[in-house]
Amino acid sequence: EAGVVQSPRYKIIEKKQPVAFWCNPISGHNTLYWYRQNLGQGPELLIRYENEEAVDDSQLPKDRFSAERLKGVDSTLKIQPAELGDSAVYLCASSDRDTNSPLHFGNGTRLTVT
Amino acid sequence: GQNIDQPTEMTATEGAIVQINCTYQTSGFNGLFWYQQHAGEAPTFLSYNVLDGLEEKGRFSSFLSRSKGYSYLLLKELQMKDSASYLCAVRTGGFKTIFGAGTRLFVKA
Repeated sequence: EAGVVQSPRYKIIEKKQPVAFWCNPISGHNTLYWYRQNLGQGPELLIRYENEEAVDDSQLPKDRFSAERLKGVDSTLKIQPAELGDSAVYLCASSDRDTNSPLHFGNGTRLTVT
Repeated sequence: GQNIDQPTEMTATEGAIVQINCTYQTSGFNGLFWYQQHAGEAPTFLSYNVLDGLEEKGRFSSFLSRSKGYSYLLLKELQMKDSASYLCAVRTGGFKTIFGAGTRLFVKA
């Protein structure tokens, strides 16, 4: 089966500019996650979707971050405007609904804000 | 609050055995996962424990004690390619998966 696909792989932008990341989960996976990972740290959850519904966005900085999952498949995460502290790897993951189902991660987008 | 603790770094010798510990305090528990992450790559799933005891999968084993909030990942017959970060993650109540900071393992010849 095809894995989780993310694009772009790398992105360099100046602060105050907008940026968007795209994710296509594994076919049939209802649950989709966006995580942010800083160097030397574990992934930190930003938002979790069940189908097209955002069921946990408590850690998403809503003043500048937004996300959508149209038709319960692909998802887009946007930052506007970007700040220097947003430099990180943004990981998308998907899983089945079962509690014992592991997360399958995409290769991530490495964002550098200058 | 919710907390997952694991050592920051460990070093071991090729061919040896290493144990990476993880302690957790979370609201609700629906299982514990271990992931491997090579530098610059995405985390990949290694193991899952939801009941107390040892799960063995080839050279890797994972142990869980729910009463102690404790798990370990055991790697046997270490190979150079096992040099990576190992992430402990807990699925809490409400289907939320939170990660520890990871343990960087260095395997030396």
